[in-house]
Amino acid sequence: NAGVTQTPKFRILKIGQSMTLQCTQDMNHNYMYWYRQDPGMGLKLIYYSVGAGITDKGEVPNGYNVSRSTTEDFPLRLELAAPSQTSVYFCASRPTGTVNAQETQYFGPGTRLLVL
Amino acid sequence: KQEVTQIPAALSVPEGENLVLNCSFTDSAIYNLQWFRQDPGKGLTSLLLIQSSQREQTSGRLNASLDKSSGRSTLYIAASQPGDSATYLCAVRHGSGTYKYIFGTGTRLKVLA
Repeated sequence: NAGVTQTPKFRILKIGQSMTLQCTQDMNHNYMYWYRQDPGMGLKLIYYSVGAGITDKGEVPNGYNVSRSTTEDFPLRLELAAPSQTSVYFCASRPTGTVNAQETQYFGPGTRLLVL
Repeated sequence: KQEVTQIPAALSVPEGENLVLNCSFTDSAIYNLQWFRQDPGKGLTSLLLIQSSQREQTSGRLNASLDKSSGRSTLYIAASQPGDSATYLCAVRHGSGTYKYIFGTGTRLKVLA
């Protein structure tokens, strides 16, 4: 299993440009999450999905959009990039269930985004 | 609104020392709490998860405890090693009806050889 993969690893955007951050997991997990982590801070939830076709907003959804057409993929779209979106973006997934092992989130390596 | 705090923000200890990391949350109505480790430039790795009905979980040299009524969790690391150097984050899932997790800001640990 590759686990959770994210592309690209690093990207520089100009203000106003758009891009899609890709996230793929091969563990057949229903739940997927997008977080951003600003320097010296914890993670803030942007969007999450409980299954294909179902998405919902997290704490900081403004300026972002998501889609979930398949179980494996959960892309994050940035429209009209702003300097405030400079951050490290992490994708995570976890299986369905309520026992401890099923609650564990698996994280990708992150995408470092710089908006200038 | 649930808030999660981790104090101290940074900690340096000599190798071999036993240490405790703290996590506080403002709303005790949590569903579970997780401890994660983050190495520089890497994603997060789950260490331990405690359900709201549990008091503690153990894995190797790590022991996490949960006191819901006081809004606190501690991560105990026994006989610390330089390889334990990383940032440790806690996260709470607030209620069974939500799939959202609220993260603390982390404690950056450095274990000196």
